[in-house]
Amino acid sequence: DTGVSQNPRHKITKRGQNVTFRCDPISEHNRLYWYRQTLGQGPEFLTYFQNEAQLEKSRLLSDRFSAERPKGSFSTLEIQRTEQGDSAMYLCASSGQGNEKLFFGSGTQLSVL
Amino acid sequence: AQSVTQLDSHVSVSEGTPVLLRCNYSSSYSPSLFWYVQHPNKGLQLLLKYTSAATLVKGINGFEAEFKKSETSFHLTKPSAHMSDAAEYFCVVSDRGSGGYNKLIFGAGTRLAVHP
Repeated sequence: DTGVSQNPRHKITKRGQNVTFRCDPISEHNRLYWYRQTLGQGPEFLTYFQNEAQLEKSRLLSDRFSAERPKGSFSTLEIQRTEQGDSAMYLCASSGQGNEKLFFGSGTQLSVL
Repeated sequence: AQSVTQLDSHVSVSEGTPVLLRCNYSSSYSPSLFWYVQHPNKGLQLLLKYTSAATLVKGINGFEAEFKKSETSFHLTKPSAHMSDAAEYFCVVSDRGSGGYNKLIFGAGTRLAVHP
């Protein structure tokens, strides 16, 4: 069990650029989640995958955001035309079927200048 | 809808003294409640979980929490603080997601400072 891995750890970009983050969940976990955490707040749910199917998306996930999990293993989160308000920590978590315990990665810190 | 309110944004204690981090919840059904801890540059770690088996829940690192339905509270305690306990703590309630999974709803967090 190597834990949930997220890359990159930090990303600095200019407003209007596209960015992509990657999450590698624990290998036997079929459930994968993305959360966003802004300074001084708790994490907020963005989206959920069961295997390769994206089953729920938060209203926080605007049209500029897209998440995929093509083979039911790793996942990517892309933000197009980034805005300063997108600056946040993006967290990925995974869990096994029927298990409420989520394992979180260390996150990707995005700064939009 | 499920929600949690953490009553203190910052708590400061001396090493060796008790810790109390307060959390109230709102739930339309019997909730699953959690406490997570976040150390700088590390992932969120589950401290403990309540799922109706016992009202007093023991977690890792000497932490425990008591579920009080009458007060809709789930406060986190530790008898004696250690310097390594300094971190951000989140009270969390589980909500039913549309995909049949449990979606976590986080409180705003309480930053715990421990002084020598």
